[in-house]
Amino acid sequence: DQQVKQNSPSLSVQEGRISILNCDYTNSMFDYFLWYKKYPAEGPTFLISISSIKDKNEDGRFTVFLNKSAKHLSLHIVPSQPGDSAVYFCAASAGGTYKYIFGTGTRLKVLA
Amino acid sequence: EAQVTQNPRYLITVTGKKLTVTCSQNMNHEYMSWYRQDPGLGLRQIYYSMNVEVTDKGDVPEGYKVSRKEKRNFPLILESPSPNQTSLYFCASSFRGQEGQPQHFGDGTRLSIL
Repeated sequence: DQQVKQNSPSLSVQEGRISILNCDYTNSMFDYFLWYKKYPAEGPTFLISISSIKDKNEDGRFTVFLNKSAKHLSLHIVPSQPGDSAVYFCAASAGGTYKYIFGTGTRLKVLA
Repeated sequence: EAQVTQNPRYLITVTGKKLTVTCSQNMNHEYMSWYRQDPGLGLRQIYYSMNVEVTDKGDVPEGYKVSRKEKRNFPLILESPSPNQTSLYFCASSFRGQEGQPQHFGDGTRLSIL
């Protein structure tokens, strides 16, 4: 049973436009959410996170939105750049467990 | 330079031949973890460690062992590897602190079990 789902395996966006990557979860006990970016032949690198007490967190071009009632989070990248082309994973953790559940990833391609 | 180092990066071996993948971090992190990445399944947590001599199972621990005798090292041991353990493996570390700490990942170890 996939507790964290990224239903779009891939996404293509024009350079300069907004990229929106989505993530849904089923476990209401999750209270920390993180986004990681992964380039080929490298390990994932941390991008941005949000705790369940917030509904939005921004860091430069990256914004994560959390809708707890819908059990949905999204990552917005504005403006998108060709260097953003990578696989993006969302991850979730439930309070006190230190266990992390990752989604299956979305491959973003930003077209120049 | 802050880093998580995994060795080897690539390994092809045969069923039943014990192997160890080493992981070392130089950031004095308390928390370390192992993941495997498979097509269509994303990253799945195998084992994690909150500190020296403290380890716990993740979602897919079967067929794996770990140890945490020193803070910087967290080896992954496959006592009797099988073909279904062919995968891309990542080690990660972070400060323990509050939850949601971002993890630093190694560059991965690709294992092929024939």
